[in-house]
Amino acid sequence: AQSVTQLGSHVSVSEGALVLLRCNYSSSVPPYLFWYVQYPNQGLQLLLKYTSAATLVKGINGFEAEFKKSETSFHLTKPSAHMSDAAEYFCAVSHNAGNMLTFGGGTRLMVKP
Amino acid sequence: DGGITQSPKYLFRKEGQNVTLSCEQNLNHDAMYWYRQDPGQGLRLIYYSQIVNDFQKGDIAEGYSVSREKKESFPLTVTSAQKNPTAFYLCASSVRVSGNTIYFGEGSWLTVV
Repeated sequence: AQSVTQLGSHVSVSEGALVLLRCNYSSSVPPYLFWYVQYPNQGLQLLLKYTSAATLVKGINGFEAEFKKSETSFHLTKPSAHMSDAAEYFCAVSHNAGNMLTFGGGTRLMVKP
Repeated sequence: DGGITQSPKYLFRKEGQNVTLSCEQNLNHDAMYWYRQDPGQGLRLIYYSQIVNDFQKGDIAEGYSVSREKKESFPLTVTSAQKNPTAFYLCASSVRVSGNTIYFGEGSWLTVV
């Protein structure tokens, strides 16, 4: 079985500060991992995905995530937060044996001026 | 442009009525999905379809029905049996179910009045 845990349902940072959104997964086989972003009243957009190539994955809008197998983590980071980064972020996991994506509960990022 | 179109964006339903949410995709994807999102919460899978004329129940299928008569279309009917239908509904698609990136529509808000 696969599952995803996002630590912290709400994260608040100041504009210009480091953004760190945590995601831990459980999967019995090497996973595919995804981060999505959702702006208010909109669907989810893909930020980035890991599919067993480089462990450091770069996505859109300056975000990146690092796959750490030993920690079963796929945390999302951005060096400097912008007001426009305020949104809900979802981590998701799938493995390549026929299972669909399983989503975490989401983390709402708030950016203070 | 390729994408997923959901309609209507906002829908009001009287108690006891069935309503149907439309979802159309022109991405030539085999797999389509319906998710429910309650305010401040994550995504829960209602139904999914891997191919035309086939669909499977997700985690919260009770009170919902779907059809997949065409590859491009996957409408969701919220029946009167769904006791708490007020939510944000997201349609999505992917090339296949297994381990692929899921692309989302813009969502539909359903409110019971």
